[in-house]
Amino acid sequence: QVQLVQSGAEVKKPGASVKVSCEVSGYTLSDLSMHWVRQTPGKGLEWMGGFDSGIEETIYAQKFQGRLTMTEDTSTDTAYMELSSLKSEDTAIYFCATSVAVGADDAFDVWGQGTMVTVSS
Amino acid sequence: DIQMTQSPSTLSASVGDRVIITCRASQSINSWLAWYQQRPGKAPKLLIYRASSLLSGVPSRFSGRRSGTEFTLTISGLQPDDFATYYCQRYNGNSTFGQGTRVEIK
Repeated sequence: QVQLVQSGAEVKKPGASVKVSCEVSGYTLSDLSMHWVRQTPGKGLEWMGGFDSGIEETIYAQKFQGRLTMTEDTSTDTAYMELSSLKSEDTAIYFCATSVAVGADDAFDVWGQGTMVTVSS
Repeated sequence: DIQMTQSPSTLSASVGDRVIITCRASQSINSWLAWYQQRPGKAPKLLIYRASSLLSGVPSRFSGRRSGTEFTLTISGLQPDDFATYYCQRYNGNSTFGQGTRVEIK
């Protein structure tokens, strides 16, 4: 079955960048639309961005425009999320997520295990 | 931007109860609405997609309904395993999650 395996926890200083990876197994990354969602401590879920196959583009939530970059390496079936100019408010668990059984560009039925990113001086 | 308003934020219930969680969109999202369950320390788990389609393997006590821009998740006969936090999500292009509803034991 499809699995998403994310990279390990990170600790970064304010102003730095972080790059989180999400490796796909049991499927081909190029056949998926990968999205990223984060959850700040004790708070709710926040969609950050993802690939829209309808327009064949990666789209980002307005809040993260200019400091969020999502990329893919199809040779290793690995997706990446890089967030720059980190602030303490970016301390969160970051998830990759995608649609498989429910159809392309549908709800997220497969999730990574999450990567904790801590931003602290 | 489309806003999703989810209510209540907390719900106290007993095993066997029927519970209803509501999500309202600030404008039409057709049926591009999903419901997730999340337990502490775990990734969200999809329950319902396209407003009312039950994901294969999800118990039939979970159901979703759409009425215009108002969406409901109903759990008919709450089980011990169902005490968790539930989120709605509008999707298809841009996406937004609701604020979440914590279902706790009364």
